[in-house]
Amino acid sequence: EPEVTQTPSHQVTQMGQEVILRCVPISNHLYFYWYRQILGQKVEFLVSFYNNEISEKSEIFDDQFSVERPDGSNFTLKIRSTKLEDSAMYFCASRINIPQGYTFGSGTRLTVV
Amino acid sequence: DQQVKQNSPSLSVQEGRISILNCDYTNSMFDYFLWYKKYPAEGPTFLISISSIKDKNEDGRFTVFLNKSAKHLSLHIVPSQPGDSAVYFCAASAKNYGQNFVFGPGTRLSVLP
Repeated sequence: EPEVTQTPSHQVTQMGQEVILRCVPISNHLYFYWYRQILGQKVEFLVSFYNNEISEKSEIFDDQFSVERPDGSNFTLKIRSTKLEDSAMYFCASRINIPQGYTFGSGTRLTVV
Repeated sequence: DQQVKQNSPSLSVQEGRISILNCDYTNSMFDYFLWYKKYPAEGPTFLISISSIKDKNEDGRFTVFLNKSAKHLSLHIVPSQPGDSAVYFCAASAKNYGQNFVFGPGTRLSVLP
């Protein structure tokens, strides 16, 4: 069964550093998403991406965040200057069209120290 | 503002019995609902969906019921199996909100052998 692949599975970074979280969505999917889950809290929407541009973003997705689909297969989330409160599981998801459900990746655990 | 609520943080059920997970929402614009299951250290896995034009959808051991007037949906698992032990998230979306999903906080289901 097709999968959404995320790398790395765990990243530790120092506060203030930049991190890039990588995702390879399912190849024929058209809509791409990043969600995050802070430990013990609910899964929160960050950003959606369609047709090579951001279609929607939440208030969490401020100027320190950016997304890119640099080569038609990878979908990346960059956090420019990490803060302690950015520590969370970050999930990438994709779907072929609306309104089908997402396929999620297994997540990247980001720990900011 | 909790638009999607799962008021039971945890639920324990005996193997073979029925598990009933509940979800309430406040936004009457929501028109598409999903249930996801999540194991520790893995991404959410899609279980079953329902659109607002239906009041029931069944897939094997999983049935989702939607009561639009009460803004309530429930997931029934019967018979429950130990492998069903996981956190279950209810998620809702609306066309007017770009079809991005709002997740509930989750209910941890433990199926006891």
